[in-house]
Amino acid sequence: GAVVSQHPSWVICKSGTSVKIECRSLDFQATTMFWYRQFPKQSLMLMATSNEGSKATYEQGVEKDKFLINHASLTLSTLTVTSAHPEDSSFYICSALPGIEGYTFGSGTRLTVV
Amino acid sequence: QKEVEQDPGPLSVPEGAIVSLNCTYSNSAFQYFMWYRQYSRKGPELLMYTYSSGNKEDGRFTAQVDKSSKYISLFIRDSQPSDSATYLCATEGDAGKSTFGDGTTLTVKP
Repeated sequence: GAVVSQHPSWVICKSGTSVKIECRSLDFQATTMFWYRQFPKQSLMLMATSNEGSKATYEQGVEKDKFLINHASLTLSTLTVTSAHPEDSSFYICSALPGIEGYTFGSGTRLTVV
Repeated sequence: QKEVEQDPGPLSVPEGAIVSLNCTYSNSAFQYFMWYRQYSRKGPELLMYTYSSGNKEDGRFTAQVDKSSKYISLFIRDSQPSDSATYLCATEGDAGKSTFGDGTTLTVKP
């Protein structure tokens, strides 16, 4: 089946530094990918829609200058958390649509900012 | 009001029990409905995808959609300890965006 690979699976960084998370579609092309954020025991909240070759579309309340999204190819989207702070600590998950039925999610990245 | 409301749980059942997980949604424009399973510290895994009222069965799992009452359910028959996870219902709306329920954590005890 379709696979979305997400790296790293976990990362610890110091406050003020930037962290890049990669999301790759391994066996299909994804013109659109979605980035979600999930706090413990809460559901997924859509952060932004990543569009290949164009600017990402951010959901209301998401700082586009803080969460930089680049969708440089049909198989790769990246999310960079800039100047990370402890409140940015969360579980970040990407997803893509390999076909017409349902989305495939990456395995997620647990970010801890210390 | 949230667009997708999910029975909060947690839910604990003995092995072999039938499990019923339920959600309601508010937007009649939603056309597609999904159920995902999420294990701790992992991304969600698609279980069922439906786009019409009625039942869809896949092994021990049955998804049920009632568009007239905006109600979706997932039934798990002969539940197993390996089914212990958080289950998320979701709907798909504009531009492929999915809206998720808050999830129900299920524990199946051996």
